[in-house]
Amino acid sequence: KAGVTQTPRYLIKTRGQQVTLSCSPISGHRSVSWYQQTPGQGLQFLFEYFSETQRNKGNFPGRFSGRQFSNSRSEMNVSTLELGDSALYLCASSLVFPGISNTEAFFGQGTRLTVV
Amino acid sequence: QKEVEQNSGPLSVPEGAIASLNCTYSDRVSQSFFWYRQYSGKSPELIMSIYSNGDKEDGRFTAQLNKASQYVSLLIRDSQPSDSATYLCAVGGTGNQFYFGTGTSLTVIP
Repeated sequence: KAGVTQTPRYLIKTRGQQVTLSCSPISGHRSVSWYQQTPGQGLQFLFEYFSETQRNKGNFPGRFSGRQFSNSRSEMNVSTLELGDSALYLCASSLVFPGISNTEAFFGQGTRLTVV
Repeated sequence: QKEVEQNSGPLSVPEGAIASLNCTYSDRVSQSFFWYRQYSGKSPELIMSIYSNGDKEDGRFTAQLNKASQYVSLLIRDSQPSDSATYLCAVGGTGNQFYFGTGTSLTVIP
């Protein structure tokens, strides 16, 4: 069974540019969450998508956005990149059961974004 | 903001010993808890989940949950050098949102 696939694995961008990251969840997983990981802040929740709708959102500025497609694949976009956006961006997929929160989440390999 | 606290370590144990990793959380109504292992330069890998008070065992790993004390722990028996990694405690929020601790670095000394 294929795991969570994130592309690209590495990106180098210049301040002010925008970037789009992609995540394909495990087959059958309809919930996709995005996290930012930095040495200083650890893993911080960005947002969660389920059935093409953003279900939860963390405390990040509006420059961070995402979407989910009908096949559960998800993308996140960061506009007007800042140096502080340099981080490992992780996508996690989960099953969804009616009435049950917090099923196990499985992470992709991440996209390492460097902003110069 | 929900808080998840872990001792950052580093924690060093000799090979074959028991490693004990601890985590406390601030939200009394939290219902789901997870342990992840993250090797340097890699993504987090799920070790186990626990939802009920008490112990849950999976191979060499045992998770312990005490909701009254807002405390969750992970014991690794017969520690191996390959267990050297950062261990992340995660607590479930709404939907599939997780709150993560900053992790405990474990080194198993051969």
